[in-house]
Amino acid sequence: DQQVKQNSPSLSVQEGRISILNCDYTNSMFDYFLWYKKYPAEGPTFLISISSIKDKNEDGRFTVFLNKSAKHLSLHIVPSQPGDSAVYFCAASPDTGRRALTFGSGTRLQVQP
Amino acid sequence: ETGVTQTPRHLVMGMTNKKSLKCEQHLGHNAMYWYKQSAKKPLELMFVYSLEERVENNSVPSRFSPECPNSSHLFLHLHTLQPEDSALYLCASSHPPDNEQFFGPGTRLTVL
Repeated sequence: DQQVKQNSPSLSVQEGRISILNCDYTNSMFDYFLWYKKYPAEGPTFLISISSIKDKNEDGRFTVFLNKSAKHLSLHIVPSQPGDSAVYFCAASPDTGRRALTFGSGTRLQVQP
Repeated sequence: ETGVTQTPRHLVMGMTNKKSLKCEQHLGHNAMYWYKQSAKKPLELMFVYSLEERVENNSVPSRFSPECPNSSHLFLHLHTLQPEDSALYLCASSHPPDNEQFFGPGTRLTVL
């Protein structure tokens, strides 16, 4: 049973609009969350993270929101650019044994010019 | 070179072959990881090495054998694989307690 779920396998948005990627988790021991971006033929690239002591973390066009009670996090990209087109993975880890990351299955984002 | 490198980038092997995947990190990290990504599945953690000691083995079949001779190098030795082992194998490194893992480009493995 997947502990980290990305229920939308794909998302298409227009350039300049907001992209919202969602992620749900089931393990209440998770308290550190990361988003990775992956282009074809490349490894995942770290994008942004959030600790469970926060509910929001912002880095430029990227903002991650965490709702612990709902076990839900989301990644907002605004404004979206064609270069953002990639597969986005959500990952989570518990505080203890922080080395183990559990990944979601990814959401393919297509930003249309 | 910088970052995390993996060789080869592509590998085709028969079920009776023995081959090795190599990973090298130039980031001064002291933890390294092997992940497997099968088609339409999440990345699955296979092995974790910290300070060259294996700290996690995620119920991986013995036909996969990792080796970490030093903190910069990680190998995955393969023997008598099955066609269902065909996947993208990704190496990553990190520097605990920071949890951001930096990934290599992966080795696309096809087992015939």
